[in-house]
Amino acid sequence: EAGVVQSPRYKIIEKKQPVAFWCNPISGHNTLYWYLQNLGQGPELLIRYENEEAVDDSQLPKDRFSAERLKGVDSTLKIQPAELGDSAVYLCASSLTAGELFFGEGSRLTVL
Amino acid sequence: QKEVEQDPGPLSVPEGAIVSLNCTYSNSAFQYFMWYRQYSRKGPELLMYTYSSGNKEDGRFTAQVDKSSKYISLFIRDSQPSDSATYLCAIQGAGANNLFFGTGTRLTVIP
Repeated sequence: EAGVVQSPRYKIIEKKQPVAFWCNPISGHNTLYWYLQNLGQGPELLIRYENEEAVDDSQLPKDRFSAERLKGVDSTLKIQPAELGDSAVYLCASSLTAGELFFGEGSRLTVL
Repeated sequence: QKEVEQDPGPLSVPEGAIVSLNCTYSNSAFQYFMWYRQYSRKGPELLMYTYSSGNKEDGRFTAQVDKSSKYISLFIRDSQPSDSATYLCAIQGAGANNLFFGTGTRLTVIP
């Protein structure tokens, strides 16, 4: 069974540029998460989807971040414009049952 | 105050040692307790999942929950170099799907 797939794995951009990350969850997993992980820190939730509905986006900086999950499967996370402080790893996860999250390998963003 | 606190380490032990990793949490409403392992440049993977107070064992790994003290632990017996990774505790409330993660403890097992 394929795991959670994320792309790109690495992205280097200049500040003020836009960037987008893509996530394909495990087939059948209705819940999808985007987490932010800074160096030396644990993941922090940005947004959680139940099917195509965003049920928790309270930690998503909506002035520059946006996300969508069309048809309740794949999801994209966008940052526009990127700032230096956005340099981090963006993790996507999916789950079928509470607590058992399956993570992708993450998209590492460097903003110069 | 963060929902869950974890000593970031780093922690270095010789091969074969017993490792103890710990977290404390603040809200007694949390009911689900997990340990994730994260290798360098990889995503976290679920290692242990517990619901109630007490111990849960899986091979060389034992997860322990003490709800009265709001304290959770992960013990690794006969540690191996392949156990070298960052270990993240995570907690979850009933009826909620969001996990709160600790900062992670970086473990190195020296051959």
